[in-house]
Parts: sequence; structure tokens; C-alpha cells
Amino acid sequence: NAGVTQTPKFQVLKTGQSMTLQCAQDMNHNSMYWYRQDPGMGLRLIYYSASEGTTDKGEVPNGYNVSRLNKREFSLRLESAAPSQTSVYFCASTPSSYNEQFFGPGTRLTVL
Amino acid sequence: KQEVTQIPAALSVPEGENLVLNCSFTDSAIYNLQWFRQDPGKGLTSLLLIQSSQREQTSGRLNASLDKSSGRSTLYIAASQPGDSATYLCAVRSFFSSGSARQLTFGSGTQLTVLP
Repeated sequence: NAGVTQTPKFQVLKTGQSMTLQCAQDMNHNSMYWYRQDPGMGLRLIYYSASEGTTDKGEVPNGYNVSRLNKREFSLRLESAAPSQTSVYFCASTPSSYNEQFFGPGTRLTVL
Repeated sequence: KQEVTQIPAALSVPEGENLVLNCSFTDSAIYNLQWFRQDPGKGLTSLLLIQSSQREQTSGRLNASLDKSSGRSTLYIAASQPGDSATYLCAVRSFFSSGSARQLTFGSGTQLTVLP
């Protein structure tokens, strides 16, 4: 099992550009999450999907959109990137909302 | 709103020492608490998950305790090794007002260095 995979690993964008971060898990988990990690701020939840077909906002959803494409895949889209979105983005999954979460390796995004 | 604090932010110890990492949270209405390890430039690796009904959980040289009423958890690492050097994060799963428990709130972590 590959676990949770994320693409790309690194990305540099200019202000105003758009991009989609991809996440996939092969553990047949129901719930998936997107977090951002910033120095001194810890990890903060952007969006989550408790099950296929549902998505909900987390703590910091502004400037982002998500799609739960199927049970395996959960993508995060930045429509118009801003320097404040420079961060490390992590995807995570769990069998249900109450279980242990498993994390991907992260995407390091820089917005110039 | 749940807040999670980890003190100290950084800790350096000689190899072989037993050590304790601290995590405190403001709202005791939690479902469970999870400890993670993060190596530089890497993702998070789950170490232990402790349910709100449990007092402690053990895995190898690691032991996590939970005192929900006082809003505290500790991660005890026995006989530390240089390979234990990493950032350790705790995260609390809290209940929403709707009664569902979905959101993890993370502390900022303790950066541990174990010196050979």
C-alpha cells in the first residue's frame, strides 16, 4: 500500500495563477482532509470530506475549493493564488471521523 | 474554541535519558487525542491514539497519558536515542456543537533533539 500520496511535491506560482493539489489514498478510507502548516501556527484544517460526496469547510477555507472526486481522491484548488497561501499543504485520511489520521508527505507551495 | 499548547517549543537531551513532552488543551469535551512525529521536510507519522475513555496508551518505548479533566496529555519516551530527534505534535479531536467529532486541533509541536 502506498498510503496517502500527494502531487506535486513542490510548486512555485505567481500571484493570481491557479493550480490544483492532488491527493489519493489506497486504504479504502471514508474521510479525507486538507491542512496547511505554517511556522508558529501549527496545522490548520482547510476543508474535509467525511465521506464520498460530501465536503465541509474547516478553520481556514477562504481562497480554496475542494472536490471529492471519488472515494480515493480529494483535490484542493487555488483559483487565484496569493502570497498568503505560501505554505506546506498536507492531505490526510481516516477510516471514519473518529479514527487515527494518516498523512501524506506534503506539497510545498510558494506564491511569489 | 479548542486551543492546544505544547511547551517547551524545543528540548535537547543527551542520549539515554527518559523524557516527557507536554500537551494541554482548553476544552475537555474531546473524543480522542493523537500524538504524531514529524521529521524535517516530511509528513506526519502517527505514534499513538488515545481515546477519551482511556488513561494511557503504550507503543514500544512510548507511553501517552491523558487526563481529560485537567486538559493534559504527556508523551513519555524511554531511553531516548538520536533517531528520536524530530518534532512531536499532539492533536485533539473535539466535538462540534452538533455532536459530531471531526476536527483535529493541533499544537505547534515540541522540537526534540537527542544528542549522541
